[in-house]
Amino acid sequence: AQKITQTQPGMFVQEKEAVTLDCTYDTSDPSYGLFWYKQPSSGEMIFLIYQGSYDQQNATEGRYSLNFQKARKSANLVISASQLGDSAMYFCAMREGRRLGSSYKLIFGSGTRLLVRP
Amino acid sequence: GAVVSQHPSWVICKSGTSVKIECRSLDFQATTMFWYRQFPKQSLMLMATSNEGSKATYEQGVEKDKFLINHASLTLSTLTVTSAHPEDSSFYICSARGTSGRLSVEQYFGPGTRLTVT
Repeated sequence: AQKITQTQPGMFVQEKEAVTLDCTYDTSDPSYGLFWYKQPSSGEMIFLIYQGSYDQQNATEGRYSLNFQKARKSANLVISASQLGDSAMYFCAMREGRRLGSSYKLIFGSGTRLLVRP
Repeated sequence: GAVVSQHPSWVICKSGTSVKIECRSLDFQATTMFWYRQFPKQSLMLMATSNEGSKATYEQGVEKDKFLINHASLTLSTLTVTSAHPEDSSFYICSARGTSGRLSVEQYFGPGTRLTVT
């Protein structure tokens, strides 16, 4: 069975510094996708970054990068130059591989609450 | 692009009544729509997956007779909470997946509906 683990319930970071949010996963499927979402207090889920299991390079999207270590089954999110607006809940999620009959459903981790200090 | 709306954004209903939540993909056709429930300070839990024109697939432990899902078109899915009780009070979020390209890789989330049953 697929599983996503986020071991940090809460994190603090100083404004303008970088922070790493941890995510480990477990799956027997060789093909899968990993996602990070940001959920501010308003509740909307904001897509941040995606990494496919066969992607050779780590994904990057602006200030967000994904440190993908396949052998260790980890997909940590790195936020560089933290801003006050980065304060939110962050969820790591995994989707099973794309193939005939795949449901494409996402399994979410428990989340990490990030607070950026001024 | 890839905007998903939900209506209503919040609703208060009396115990025993039914409430319908709509999820619409505004600028793309959604092959698959997903319904999640999120209790305070918890992660998103998938309730069901619906494909246009077919019956929804419910996750284990979710009562299909209580949470009726209809995916009548490629742009609209509805979730009806029947005979609602206070324990059904939660944040309900839908997401949609498109038919091709990046739209088929990611799930695009609606802003959520906060349901309070009194």
